[in-house]
Amino acid sequence: GQNIDQPTEMTATEGAIVQINCTYQTSGFNGLFWYQQHAGEAPTFLSYNVLDGLEEKGRFSSFLSRSKGYSYLLLKELQMKDSASYLCAVKDSNYQLIWGAGTKLIIKP
Amino acid sequence: GAVVSQHPSWVICKSGTSVKIECRSLDFQATTMFWYRQFPKQSLMLMATSNEGSKATYEQGVEKDKFLINHASLTLSTLTVTSAHPEDSSFYICSASTGGVTEAFFGQGTRLTVV
Repeated sequence: GQNIDQPTEMTATEGAIVQINCTYQTSGFNGLFWYQQHAGEAPTFLSYNVLDGLEEKGRFSSFLSRSKGYSYLLLKELQMKDSASYLCAVKDSNYQLIWGAGTKLIIKP
Repeated sequence: GAVVSQHPSWVICKSGTSVKIECRSLDFQATTMFWYRQFPKQSLMLMATSNEGSKATYEQGVEKDKFLINHASLTLSTLTVTSAHPEDSSFYICSASTGGVTEAFFGQGTRLTVV
């Protein structure tokens, strides 16, 4: 079966750095996506990785290792508004998004 | 980024009635649209995938006669929850894609409460 694993919940301090890990086992791979979802809202796109390496976009960076089936999302200079769920998703061989359960990130002052 | 509009944002209906949710891609042609359901504190669960002009493909365990999906044009897909029951109360989200490796764009979601 297809499986994506993320930690259920993480806590970090405002101004700090946090890394959210994601491991996946899917039938085929056509890219890995990170989305942010605030409670009661639809997910918003953060990043996309299809090749190994680090993609940086402002305070957010995402890393991919296809051989290890592993990705992480790195958030720097944390702000209170970063409190949300972060969803890892992989497009499989049929280009269908397979979703992780999401990581709830709690930011404390 | 591309805009996907979902309507209504929230709806309350009586048990046994039907509810239609619309999903429109406003500035691009969506060859594929996806419908998800999300229960509180749970991840997105794919209900069905629809391609313009063809029948939707439903995920295992999703009743196609209860959740009617129509994707009549490249910019509009609808989900109709028929004979709704309280257990159908959930957050329903659509997303649209031009296919391939591009990201999916999400509508705002619809909070359905069946009383």
